[in-house]
Amino acid sequence: GNSVTQMEGPVTLSEEAFLTINCTYTATGYPSLFWYVQYPGEGLQLLLKATKADDKGSNKGFEATYRKETTSFHLEKGSVQVSDSAVYFCALSATGNQFYFGTGTSLTVIP
Amino acid sequence: GAVVSQHPSWVICKSGTSVKIECRSLDFQATTMFWYRQFPKQSLMLMATSNEGSKATYEQGVEKDKFLINHASLTLSTLTVTSAHPEDSSFYICSARDRRGWEYEQYFGPGTRLTVT
Repeated sequence: GNSVTQMEGPVTLSEEAFLTINCTYTATGYPSLFWYVQYPGEGLQLLLKATKADDKGSNKGFEATYRKETTSFHLEKGSVQVSDSAVYFCALSATGNQFYFGTGTSLTVIP
Repeated sequence: GAVVSQHPSWVICKSGTSVKIECRSLDFQATTMFWYRQFPKQSLMLMATSNEGSKATYEQGVEKDKFLINHASLTLSTLTVTSAHPEDSSFYICSARDRRGWEYEQYFGPGTRLTVT
C-alpha cells in the first residue's frame, strides 16, 4: 500500500541554522511527492513537489530530491528564518486523487 | 495561481444542529474535490472524494449520512455536518483538482474550524 513516514517533531532551531526533515515513503507504482506547509490557523500550501525519480523540487530556499533507491524525499533548507516556523507535511499521490500525508513536523525557529 | 476558498473560516454551533461548509475553486474548474479532517497536531485524514454531478465516495469509517457532500457544480462542493456533536469539532479542509491538469496536484482551501458546544 501507500504510506508516508515523516520525522517526528517538534523541531526547534536557531535562526540561520540548517534544516532537515526526513520523509520516507512506500508506494505502488510511481508516485509524485510533495511537501506542504501549514502556518498557524491556515490551510495547506504547496511548498514544492517532484514527479519522478531524481527530480529536485525547490521553493523559497527549501529543497527536496526524489530518491527512488532510498524511497526518500527529505526536506532541506540551508538557513532557516523565524518566518519558516510552521508545520511541514510530506505527501505522496500515486493516482492523482488519493493523497497520503505524513503526520507533520512542527518547526519553530527562534531568533 | 489556482485558488480554493472555504466559507466560513470559523463556525461555532450547538450540539444537534447542522452546519454547512462551502468549498469553491475561484479561478478554475474542479471535476474532483476532496474533504479532509484534521485533528489537533495530527495529519489530514481523507473523508471523501466528490465528483461533480455524482455521489461522493466516502472513506472507510466515515458516516455518509452524517457528513453530507454535494458537488453541484464544477466550482462548488459543500460539506454538511448533520446533527453535530462535540466530537465533530475539528478542522475541515477541502481541496480541488483542476480538470485541465494532468499532474497529480491538489489545491487546498484555508480550512474551516468547527467547534460544537
